[in-house]
Amino acid sequence: GAGVSQSPRYKVAKRGQDVALRCDPISGHVSLFWYQQALGQGPEFLTYFQNEAQLDKSGLPSDRFFAERPEGSVSTLKIQRTQQEDSAVYLCASSLSFGASGLYNEQFFGPGTRLTVL
Amino acid sequence: KNEVEQSPQNLTAQEGEFITINCSYSVGISALHWLQQHPGGGIVSLFMLSSGKKKHGRLIATINIQEKHSSLHITASHPRDSAVYICAVRSGYGGSQGNLIFGKGTKLSVKP
Repeated sequence: GAGVSQSPRYKVAKRGQDVALRCDPISGHVSLFWYQQALGQGPEFLTYFQNEAQLDKSGLPSDRFFAERPEGSVSTLKIQRTQQEDSAVYLCASSLSFGASGLYNEQFFGPGTRLTVL
Repeated sequence: KNEVEQSPQNLTAQEGEFITINCSYSVGISALHWLQQHPGGGIVSLFMLSSGKKKHGRLIATINIQEKHSSLHITASHPRDSAVYICAVRSGYGGSQGNLIFGKGTKLSVKP
């Protein structure tokens, strides 16, 4: 498929367990974003990559959250020692490049991973 | 106060009605997106605009930069339009690197 894919689609974790969420962006897309969407809320920014460089991680809620994109394509969001408040849908988006304006900056979203922490 | 406010939060319409969803924002932006989210979480980008008006099928999006306001209109609404519609802005300034700031969404339900 040509779109952004995420896996797993659903994840149930016990409190204290570590989880890893994967995002496969559209091939050739330079920019990759992670967002967290709590139930009934709009998504909120977590972190941003341009190629393999993590340029902004200001939205990560705690040091239990870690994201990487080592080869500038696939990205993994890792959450250590999960807590119930981590339960949310985690959305990944990619865009062709970053720039001030232009259609090529449109972000394409994956289906999300719904994380439930018991 | 949220940087992106949408109204209404919930909207129920009869099939065929003309629908308007509003978005106001308080930050300087380089672009505004209208997104559609169906149950299950998948988000589809409907429009990205920085000025004026765009139309795609029965959907129309407008933006007034001076008033920091955008509207999404759906003409001849249909039950398949039922979804959450989210307004998101890209600030593109400072350290934000172009990430989106989202409204909380408007849940639209169109009854047959």
